[in-house]
Amino acid sequence: EAGVTQFPSHSVIEKGQTVTLRCDPISGHDNLYWYRRVMGKEIKFLLHFVKESKQDESGMPNNRFLAERTGGTYSTLKVQPAELEDSGVYFCASSPNARRRYGYTFGSGTRLTVV
Amino acid sequence: AQKITQTQPGMFVQEKEAVTLDCTYDTSDQSYGLFWYKQPSSGEMIFLIYQGSYDEQNATEGRYSLNFQKARKSANLVISASQLGDSAMYFCAMREGYSSASKIIFGSGTRLSIRP
Repeated sequence: EAGVTQFPSHSVIEKGQTVTLRCDPISGHDNLYWYRRVMGKEIKFLLHFVKESKQDESGMPNNRFLAERTGGTYSTLKVQPAELEDSGVYFCASSPNARRRYGYTFGSGTRLTVV
Repeated sequence: AQKITQTQPGMFVQEKEAVTLDCTYDTSDQSYGLFWYKQPSSGEMIFLIYQGSYDEQNATEGRYSLNFQKARKSANLVISASQLGDSAMYFCAMREGYSSASKIIFGSGTRLSIRP
């Protein structure tokens, strides 16, 4: 099966610009997660979709971040306007339901640099 | 609140030696799962091993084993006979509850470097 795909792999934008990250989960995985790792720190949870619904968005840092999951398939994470502290690696992951011993399958991440 | 602590920011190990990566966790739940992920320089996150809180035996997956000390709330990863390809970041993680839909939280990671 195809893995979790993230696009772009790298993005360099100026402060104040808008960036949209995309994640295509494994087909059939209802659960989709966004995480972020700022340089040298832990990987922080941002939010969790179950199909097209936001199950938990407690990790979203502020209202400059907007996540959507169209029709329960791919998801986008938009940062508008981007600030310097938004730089980091954004990971997307997906998982099926019910299989408790199953870890997430992660994408390769999008490295975002805000200058 | 749940928390994962990895106290070793970096480790150097000679090839073929065994290595233990430390992880302690904090949770008030009785049901939880513990994970280890590997992140090589290419960036992807690779699932290595899982331990459930009610599992009686330590989890093993090939050269990886998880030393689960429930009373001490520790879940150390042991890599036997280390190889050069084991050089990577390693993240300990925890999920409260048994549903695969619950979110996973991560520690800050340990960078492991294997010397030839």
